Amino acid sequence: NAGVTQTPKFQVLKTGQSMTLQCAQDMNHEYMSWYRQDPGMGLRLIHYSVGAGITDQGEVPNGYNVSRSTTEDFPLRLLSAAPSQTSVYFCASSPVGRPDGEQFFGPGTRLTVL
Amino acid sequence: AQKVTQAQTEISVVEKEDVTLDCVYETRDTTYYLFWYKQPPSGELVFLIRRNSFDEQNEISGRYSWNFQKSTSSFNFTITASQVVDSAVYFCALRGSSARQLTFGSGTQLTVLP
Repeated sequence: NAGVTQTPKFQVLKTGQSMTLQCAQDMNHEYMSWYRQDPGMGLRLIHYSVGAGITDQGEVPNGYNVSRSTTEDFPLRLLSAAPSQTSVYFCASSPVGRPDGEQFFGPGTRLTVL
Repeated sequence: AQKVTQAQTEISVVEKEDVTLDCVYETRDTTYYLFWYKQPPSGELVFLIRRNSFDEQNEISGRYSWNFQKSTSSFNFTITASQVVDSAVYFCALRGSSARQLTFGSGTQLTVLP
């Protein structure tokens, strides 16, 4: 049981480049989400999904796209990277219908946009 | 709307001292869930505790204890006899029953000096 996995661990991009951050979980959780962590700001929700084919925006969705074709995978796409997207990105999952349940977090991806 | 405030940005203590991390929250939901996460220097997010709004019992787990007070909308975290390994960023988070996502505070950086 690997839990929540994220790839890559580190990435450096140039402004304007695109890339996809990968997230996968093997716990059959319906709910998956992406957060970004910036110094002094805690974690802020980018996008989330409550099941395959269903996604919605969080607090800071601009510049990011998501899709959910399977229960296991929830990739985050940066179409045209900007320096403001330099951050640490965390993917998380939890079962739907358990608002008291902990969210399981991946190890994070540290992204630098030059 | 949900909001979590961790007013202490950084705290520094000497080993074996007790330390309390403050967390104040806002929500319109009558049912809600509070969480504490630890982020050690390695960067991963470690779940520590959850508390339901209808359960105001304080909880103790080893050197850790949590004081939940609905009257003051606070969910404070105390580490007794701190150790160097407690050095980390600690996040308080809130999820209201009407919300699909966690709202995080900005975190408190705790440094325990030997």
